Amino acid sequence: NAGVTQTPKFQVLKTGQSMTLQCAQDMNHEYMSWYRQDPGMGLRLIHYSVGAGITDQGEVPNGYNVSRSTTEDFPLRLLSAAPSQTSVYFCASSYVPFYGYTFGSGTRLTVV
Amino acid sequence: AQKVTQAQTEISVVEKEDVTLDCVYETRDTTYYLFWYKQPPSGELVFLIRRNSFDEQNEISGRYSWNFQKSTSSFNFTITASQVVDSAVYFCAPPLDKLIFGTGTRLQVFP
Repeated sequence: NAGVTQTPKFQVLKTGQSMTLQCAQDMNHEYMSWYRQDPGMGLRLIHYSVGAGITDQGEVPNGYNVSRSTTEDFPLRLLSAAPSQTSVYFCASSYVPFYGYTFGSGTRLTVV
Repeated sequence: AQKVTQAQTEISVVEKEDVTLDCVYETRDTTYYLFWYKQPPSGELVFLIRRNSFDEQNEISGRYSWNFQKSTSSFNFTITASQVVDSAVYFCAPPLDKLIFGTGTRLQVFP
């Protein structure tokens, strides 16, 4: 299925645990990015990538790592989860930004 | 630095009222584009339209219309005869190598 696939859809973590949020696309999109959306707020950019092997920080990168070893996958790693990272995480991808981005359905993460 | 501002945090209207949402993109570029997205209560992000800053004509799609006002550098998004299904958060963002979103405008349409 063409599109952006995010897994898992829901996750509960304990403070201090680590985990990886997966994002995969099969549209050969070079541009991929991660956002977090806190309740009642907009989407804030965490990290982004303009191609395999190239990543850069966004507005709120602290506590998160990314890598882009393939065009298809752009995983987001939480190193040591904190309650402040409770949020909904969206992944997006684009072939050419001018023509638009495709979003995943989101991962709802709760850190207790 | 580039900045997207949606000054209207929340708007409430009664069904069938017209409503206009604003978005200002601060950039050194003289011409630029802007995306509008809709996020209904179900949470997914729905792409609505891409608009440019060098065409001040209205673009109309059904009950939706968009225009750019050069005098205020403001992209306006108007919903005519609003419906309850229009209740959502609306975001604007320029199509860069990553999306920089405004904080969004929450529209509530009451029956």
